[in-house]
Amino acid sequence: GQQVMQIPQYQHVQEGEDFTTYCNSSTTLSNIQWYKQRPGGHPVFLIQLVKSGEVKKQKRLTFQFGEAKKNSSLHITATQTTDVGTYFCAGERGSTLGRLYFGRGTQLTVWP
Amino acid sequence: DTGVSQNPRHKITKRGQNVTFRCDPISEHNRLYWYRQTLGQGPEFLTYFQNEAQLEKSRLLSDRFSAERPKGSFSTLEIQRTEQGDSAMYLCASSALDRGQYEQYFGPGTRLTVT
Repeated sequence: GQQVMQIPQYQHVQEGEDFTTYCNSSTTLSNIQWYKQRPGGHPVFLIQLVKSGEVKKQKRLTFQFGEAKKNSSLHITATQTTDVGTYFCAGERGSTLGRLYFGRGTQLTVWP
Repeated sequence: DTGVSQNPRHKITKRGQNVTFRCDPISEHNRLYWYRQTLGQGPEFLTYFQNEAQLEKSRLLSDRFSAERPKGSFSTLEIQRTEQGDSAMYLCASSALDRGQYEQYFGPGTRLTVT
């Protein structure tokens, strides 16, 4: 079954609006990674979060890891058409290190 | 190109046939992963290797699936007696420990269609 839940499945925004996708795990994670997959492409690594409550920023992207290490979010400020794609979270559990549990992804569409 | 490469990129086969895919990881990456991805889903873990050792295999993987990495470099994934439900994109990724994290680099995938 789905180990990592991700919502929403789809998000349509106008260019300049903000976007957030949420990820939730039923079990505590050792770390969480975020990937972006462009249409027709393959997943590309964005970032890894390890510490409880960790927040990392990459330009307009802000990533958070929850205090309980069971949830995470990705927030994009002022979206651009280049942000189009599917964003996946992927968690790693301490009992199965090396194995990533991917969420279903959030498909972002940005209207110009 | 020094990225992860996969061959073939597309494979169409008839139900019941065997297929084999190859993955060449980034040079000197000691970890290699296989995933399966269907439309609208995230990559689903199949198995992974550290060097030549297969460290974990998904329970979702039936006995028809086998993977090898004989010399710790390239890897092959074989599916025996293919079924229509095996139709998917098969992704390979590789990684090496860097600054405390195993960032995974994905290849372009092999799209399998079973008719």
